[in-house]
Amino acid sequence: DIQLTQSPSFLSASVGDRVTITCRASQGISSYLDWYQQKPGKAPKVLIYAASTLQSGVPSRFSGSGSGTEFTLTISSLQPEDSATYYCQQLNSYPWTFGQGTKVEIK
Amino acid sequence: EVQLVESGGGLVQPGGSLRLSCSASGFTFSSSAMHWVRQAPGKGLECVSAINSNGGTTYYADSVKGRFTISRDNSKNTLYLQMSSLSVGDTAVYYCVRMRPVAGTGVFDIWGQGTMLTVSS
Repeated sequence: DIQLTQSPSFLSASVGDRVTITCRASQGISSYLDWYQQKPGKAPKVLIYAASTLQSGVPSRFSGSGSGTEFTLTISSLQPEDSATYYCQQLNSYPWTFGQGTKVEIK
Repeated sequence: EVQLVESGGGLVQPGGSLRLSCSASGFTFSSSAMHWVRQAPGKGLECVSAINSNGGTTYYADSVKGRFTISRDNSKNTLYLQMSSLSVGDTAVYYCVRMRPVAGTGVFDIWGQGTMLTVSS
């Protein structure tokens, strides 16, 4: 199985800060990587697919980049409603594995 | 309204069996690949099973292979997950998810609200 490692596992930042989360794959996965946001008690919601394509309806402060084994999710200006756990997911080969998650807290 | 609604979760004893159902509406279910994703309490996400649009191809995580069976009834717009030989490690919220094909791959764009399975004596 392809392993995804996210860093950091937790981050605390202020409203307006630029935030970056990294996802590293154990082997190359081209651009077959998606990013999800999950709030407590809710199902995940897709933010970015194919590494850099913004899902319809998602605010433009979210962006994704990368290919191969290293990927990033960036929130350009952190908002209070962005407090959540973020997961990357690879769809290069089944099982479609997820990273362990990054919890984002608003200071 | 586009939605997925899971049902069938509950409390089961170790070694027991249970079937989850997922009712789809608002999109063309019969054209959609579908997945079950689970999340143990306080833990991350795990893809456990997948099925293509006509039910002819299925996938299973090693953790459930031989114990879980995914199926679908396109005439009823319903996805199923038959689970047997359940253990404490299967305790989780189970999400039904639609995978939309995009850019040569896919995206999990529609999620149900989840149904909780608790395996305990």
